[in-house]
Amino acid sequence: EIVLTQSPGTLSLSPGDRATLSCRTSQSFSDSRHLAWYQQIPGQAPRLLMYAVSNRATGIPDRFSGSGSGTDFTLTISRLEPEDFAVYYCQQYDRSPPRYIFGQGTSLEIK
Amino acid sequence: QVQLQESGPGLVKPSGTLSLTCAVSGGSISNDNWWSWVRQPPGKGLEWIGEIYHSGSTNYNPSLKSRVTISMDKSKNQLSLVLSSVTAADTAVYLCAREGDHGYSLGYWGQGTLVTVSS
Repeated sequence: EIVLTQSPGTLSLSPGDRATLSCRTSQSFSDSRHLAWYQQIPGQAPRLLMYAVSNRATGIPDRFSGSGSGTDFTLTISRLEPEDFAVYYCQQYDRSPPRYIFGQGTSLEIK
Repeated sequence: QVQLQESGPGLVKPSGTLSLTCAVSGGSISNDNWWSWVRQPPGKGLEWIGEIYHSGSTNYNPSLKSRVTISMDKSKNQLSLVLSSVTAADTAVYLCAREGDHGYSLGYWGQGTLVTVSS
């Protein structure tokens, strides 16, 4: 069974800092189109940030970037804005059987 | 812009059946897209429940497959979720979502509806 492990569980930073969030999958997958990132502000629905590892979704500012391959993926926020403090989830789409799998989330908190 | 709105009973008794609908506006569920249900227990992470294609084909989370049915009503442009034999562990916010414009991700989400399983 594929497991996505995000680290750290909680990240405490200040506005203006650089944030680096990690997502490690238990199995390598060759199709990078299947890795996405979401932002969830408490009380709101998740919002798609990145698709296919490194592509920003519509309306996502360029301070957000994604990278990685194989089993290790990273979401980077270059300079934190107050509205960026939220929970972030990585997601993989597995083809066998077809399903979405989410990581457990990283909580980005104001220091 | 596609908009999704979940609705249904907020309280279900243990061993009962949870039934929710997701009304879609700004787009047709008959288009070439997959539509998903996702849930989130209070204070916890996201769990994908299953998805349905405009053709009616479905995929389910193996851990829930025996209890879940997802369907669509094209005349009403809405999706449905039925989860049987519920327990307190099924208490969660239930969200419907549509795959993103580039596939393999969920680009459009409803706000979700809280369902509590309790007697």
